[in-house]
Amino acid sequence: QKEVEQNSGPLSVPEGAIASLNCTYSDRGSQSFFWYRQYSGKSPELIMSIYSNGDKEDGRFTAQLNKASQYVSLLIRDSQPSDSATYLCASLRSNDYKLSFGAGTTVTVRA
Amino acid sequence: NAGVTQTPKFQVLKTGQSMTLQCAQDMNHNSMYWYRQDPGMGLRLIYYSASEGTTDKGEVPNGYNVSRLNKREFSLRLESAAPSQTSVYFCASSTRDSETQYFGPGTRLLVL
Repeated sequence: QKEVEQNSGPLSVPEGAIASLNCTYSDRGSQSFFWYRQYSGKSPELIMSIYSNGDKEDGRFTAQLNKASQYVSLLIRDSQPSDSATYLCASLRSNDYKLSFGAGTTVTVRA
Repeated sequence: NAGVTQTPKFQVLKTGQSMTLQCAQDMNHNSMYWYRQDPGMGLRLIYYSASEGTTDKGEVPNGYNVSRLNKREFSLRLESAAPSQTSVYFCASSTRDSETQYFGPGTRLLVL
């Protein structure tokens, strides 16, 4: 079992819609979770981090964490073509404080 | 600040050749990392360095060596390249392990 699993996608949404990305993790001791955005041919860049159960909002992005279910999600509201990218979910392992990454979900926003 | 820089951007090697990938950061970070990214596999940690003078293996260290030359620089060496090492390699740095990691632009390596 992979430590972090994501829906592989691709996820296609119309402009202005909500894109919903899901992620599950296996390390019950993980306390820190991150969403990175990666444009094609570019490096990952951090867009959200979340450490507590519940929602965390930053502009059009909302991260949700449910530690009991070992589930992390990212909502992108009012999706724009510039949001078209691969989104990587990562959790900080509890045993060595290193990041485990999911394989990523590719999002395409249709104009 | 340039952030994290990597050289070269692209490289083609023949099986058995050696090369060193260079990484430097100007953010005064203690921790540095080398990842490889393959389609459908996400980012996998090759080696990391928690501080100058220390290095440790990650998930996929076989076939690689690293050097933390000083606080700024962390290099990755392929002693005898194999086609299985064809990948995109990213260097990253952070103030410490639990903090946000910042990635370099990547090196695209093709081993024939």
